[in-house]
Amino acid sequence: ETGVTQSPTHLIKTRGQQVTLRCSSQSGHNTVSWYQQALGQGPQFIFQYYREEENGRGNFPPRFSGLQFPNYSSELNVNALELDDSALYLCASSQGQGNTGELFFGEGSRLTVL
Amino acid sequence: ILNVEQSPQSLHVQEGDSTNFTCSFPSSNFYALHWYRWETAKSPEALFVMTLNGDEKKKGRISATLNTKEGYSYLYIKGSQPEDSATYLCALNSGYSTLTFGKGTMLLVSP
Repeated sequence: ETGVTQSPTHLIKTRGQQVTLRCSSQSGHNTVSWYQQALGQGPQFIFQYYREEENGRGNFPPRFSGLQFPNYSSELNVNALELDDSALYLCASSQGQGNTGELFFGEGSRLTVL
Repeated sequence: ILNVEQSPQSLHVQEGDSTNFTCSFPSSNFYALHWYRWETAKSPEALFVMTLNGDEKKKGRISATLNTKEGYSYLYIKGSQPEDSATYLCALNSGYSTLTFGKGTMLLVSP
């Protein structure tokens, strides 16, 4: 059974740039959720994708967007990067809509915006 | 905006000590409560998903209880070991796709 993998693990960008983060979900899972963890905070929900459709969104601006592919892998795109976007971005996969079961997390992508 | 509070923020105990943490949440918004264990440089790992008031779950030396009427959950670790050192996160599912996480309790167990 393949776990959740995220790439890249670390990256540095400058303000105004765009970034794409990638996530491969665990085998058999059709739901992917993205979270942002800023320093000193708990993970904050960005959005969730279920069978290639957005299935809920947190309080993040439209420059945060996502995709889910037919194989249930997912991308998180952030445009017009700001300094406050510096954070650890976590991807989690699960089976089924919502969060009725446990989430399986990747190790995260750490983004630094200069 | 839901508020999930965890206490204490951090805890330092000696090997063999038993310890417990608290997660508080708005009782009117309850669907399920998750506990995760997060070791440094690894991914968060699910410990428990709890849905029923009065439920108690156990995994080895770790157990959790849930009170949905008063809005709290306790996580207990019996006989702490250095490998228990991690951040323990609780998260509230209020019935939608969102999990609302607390800030976590950072546990350090010294040999």
